[in-house]
Amino acid sequence: SQELEQSPQSLIVQEGKNLTINCTSSKTLYGLYWYKQKYGEGLIFLMMLQKGGEEKSHEKITAKLDEKKQQSSLHITASQPSHAGIYLCGANQGAQKLVFGQGTRLTINP
Amino acid sequence: DTAVSQTPKYLVTQMGNDKSIKCEQNLGHDTMYWYKQDSKKFLKIMFSYNNKELIINETVPNRFSPKSPDKAHLNLHINSLELGDSAVYFCASSQGGGRDTQYFGPGTRLTVL
Repeated sequence: SQELEQSPQSLIVQEGKNLTINCTSSKTLYGLYWYKQKYGEGLIFLMMLQKGGEEKSHEKITAKLDEKKQQSSLHITASQPSHAGIYLCGANQGAQKLVFGQGTRLTINP
Repeated sequence: DTAVSQTPKYLVTQMGNDKSIKCEQNLGHDTMYWYKQDSKKFLKIMFSYNNKELIINETVPNRFSPKSPDKAHLNLHINSLELGDSAVYFCASSQGGGRDTQYFGPGTRLTVL
């Protein structure tokens, strides 16, 4: 079965700094999703990537899928307190089944 | 407007009890899911239903029984609750199958004492 490894598991950055979260898959990715979870809340869909080399941006968040489709990165530019939360990558494993990484907890210090 | 809603948000109960969690989506989606997030924050799929039909059942104990009265609702009933059932349970929905994006509810935090 497919496994997703996220790094780092935890990240503390100063407000205004840039940061990157990585998601590495044990198998080829045929649909990679990024979600954000705030404490006590559900998962908020951020972006979905499908094609090798694909890159998508939304406000200050950019996600990329590498050419080999085994790794994705999520980059936040000029971080703000509103970016704090747990970021989860999820991969489509067929039959509508998503498998998730263990999450990266992001803390933004003022 | 709430897209995927769950009730209750918090549930505290004793071991051995039976409880239900309700989920409703107003997105017109055909597929609904239940996920469990344990204390280490691992999120794992439990069930999925497409148009009221069970599609995925991920080796979940048969104490857990999903019920879909219509395609907008997928409820989770748990019998004989155990300490290890304590977790956050998330409902989700998607338009159909394949790679359609799944939209999640706010979660139900279940604590079994």
